[in-house]
Order: sequence, then C-alpha cells, then structure tokens
Amino acid sequence: GAVVSQHPSWVICKSGTSVKIECRSLDFQATTMFWYRQFPKQSLMLMATSNEGSKATYEQGVEKDKFLINHASLTLSTLTVTSAHPEDSSFYICSATRTYSANSYNEQFFGPGTRLTVL
Amino acid sequence: QKEVEQNSGPLSVPEGAIASLNCTYSDRGSQSFFWYRQYSGKSPELIMSIYSNGDKEDGRFTAQLNKASQYVSLLIRDSQPSDSATYLCAVTGAGSYQLTFGKGTKLSVIP
Repeated sequence: GAVVSQHPSWVICKSGTSVKIECRSLDFQATTMFWYRQFPKQSLMLMATSNEGSKATYEQGVEKDKFLINHASLTLSTLTVTSAHPEDSSFYICSATRTYSANSYNEQFFGPGTRLTVL
Repeated sequence: QKEVEQNSGPLSVPEGAIASLNCTYSDRGSQSFFWYRQYSGKSPELIMSIYSNGDKEDGRFTAQLNKASQYVSLLIRDSQPSDSATYLCAVTGAGSYQLTFGKGTKLSVIP
C-alpha cells in the first residue's frame, strides 16, 4: 500500500508559539507533497504545493512567512506554523503524490491529519 | 476556472442497496480522476482512481468515466452502514498533480 504519516496527530499550544508538523511518505518517494487545511464542516483548502529541493508554491491568501514549508527529502515535508494564533486552529492535512513508472499514472495519498488548537 | 461539481446530498440508501454518486468536471483537459472517502473528523482516503473511459471495478466499488460527457461516477454495491461518509470527486489536469475537488456528496446508509 501507500502510507503517509503525520506527526503529531494533535497539538495544543499557546498563542505566539510555533508548531512544526511532519509529513512522511513511508513506502514510496514523493517529489510533490501538498498541505491542506480544513475547518469543521468545510471543504479541504489547499495551502501550498511542496516540491522536493525547491521552494513551496503557496495558494493565494496563504502567508508564506507564517506557514513555512520545507521539503528536504523525497519522503519528508514539514509545515511550521509560526507565531500561531487562535484563528490558526484547524485540521492540517498533508498529501503525497505517488507516480507509477510503468504508466506515469499518479495517485495522491493523504496523511491522517494534525489537529492544531491554539489557546 | 476548473470546476468539479457534485450533488451535496445527503444521499440516503438502505443497507444492501446500490449507492450511485455522480460528478462532472469543466476542464476537458483533465487526465486523472479520483474518488476519496472522508469520514467526519478524518482525512480523505483514496478508494478509486480511473484514467481512461469505461468502468473500473474494485470489490464493491465501480468507477465509471466518460470523457466526452465530462462525467465520472462511483457505484457502491451492497452498501453498508460503514460506507456512510462524504465522498469527494477529484481530478487533475495535464501535467499537474494538483487535485481539484468537488464539494463532496454525503452518503448515509440506513440499516
């Protein structure tokens, strides 16, 4: 199978602190990973595209200096929420793209998500 | 603007029945098509991917793709209460891994 892990699964922090979330593809290499945010009863919102070895591409309205993304290897991307505030409380989900060399098809697998609560 | 449209539901079916979920997309250049299942409070789980016209079956699930009509569907046979979830249709365009999601259809399977 294709497994994507996220750590931590939940975190509670004080306003003004920074939180780092890790996303790992466990059994495949992913040149492209994505970060999403989801508020209760709302749709997934794409925050940024993370490519290994290059700068992330952020969606309109997402502050790149607040949401720092690093894709240091083919199996790891990190999202750091800097100076978190209560309005940053949300469910953060990563996904990793697996490409099948036989036919160049690709599938995107999601991590289990990280629930962030900022007090 | 690429769009993916789904009936938001809720779609209610009795246990054991066939659930039929539909999706249309606006970008004729879309190349890959996916169905995800998302339980409340959980992340999406890939259940089907389809890339060419026709049907693709995997267990109780069948995905159908018609590129001429820009239409993709998911059939769930012998629906179970555990199938109750929101089903997300997603597509990618040529040369892109970025998914464009529909808003999802909420399915309820009634015991």
